[in-house]
Amino acid sequence: DIQMTQSPSSLSASVGDRVTITCRASQSIGDYVNWYQQKPGKAPKVLIYGASSLQSGVPSRLSGSGSGTDFTLTISSLQPEDFATYYCQQSYSTPYTFGQGTKLEIK
Amino acid sequence: QVQLQESGPGLVKPSETLSLTCTVSGGSVSGGSYYWTWIRQPPGKGLEWIGFIYYSGSTNYNPSLKSRVTTSIDTSKNQFSLKLTSVTSADTAVYYCARASAAVRTRYFDLWGRGTLVTVSS
Repeated sequence: DIQMTQSPSSLSASVGDRVTITCRASQSIGDYVNWYQQKPGKAPKVLIYGASSLQSGVPSRLSGSGSGTDFTLTISSLQPEDFATYYCQQSYSTPYTFGQGTKLEIK
Repeated sequence: QVQLQESGPGLVKPSETLSLTCTVSGGSVSGGSYYWTWIRQPPGKGLEWIGFIYYSGSTNYNPSLKSRVTTSIDTSKNQFSLKLTSVTSADTAVYYCARASAAVRTRYFDLWGRGTLVTVSS
């Protein structure tokens, strides 16, 4: 199985901050990485697919980059609605696997 | 718009079989555009892909669960289902049904049900 390792596991930041979450794959996976946001009690919501493509309706302050084994999700200016848990996921091969999550909290 | 809704017992006894159904409304499970997927999340933990089924009935399961998982699809009812046998407390989780594009380049989970908590306890 391809292991997806996210860092940090948790992050405290303030509204307006720029934050970056990283995800490392245990082997090269091209750009087959997707990013999800999950709020408490809700299903995950896709933000970025194919490492850098913004899902329709997602604000442009979110962006993704990377290829091979190292990927990043960046939020350029945090808004109150961005405080949530974020997961990366590889769709390169089955079994599809997720990172352990990064909880973004208000400082 | 297309919506997914999980249904099934919220409590299952150890060693018994967990059975869930996902009903698709506003769209069709037929047609070949999507893989119909099950994902679970133990309380306070991360996400685990269980497997998916195609409208044709072909399946792909997580090897960690493969010996206990069966999925099926009923195009007449616009539903797909999950069965997980010999459950233990480790199977306690929120179970989500989701949709993923059949196209490899866009194989992400773009639509999710609300999730249903299944607790394994005697």
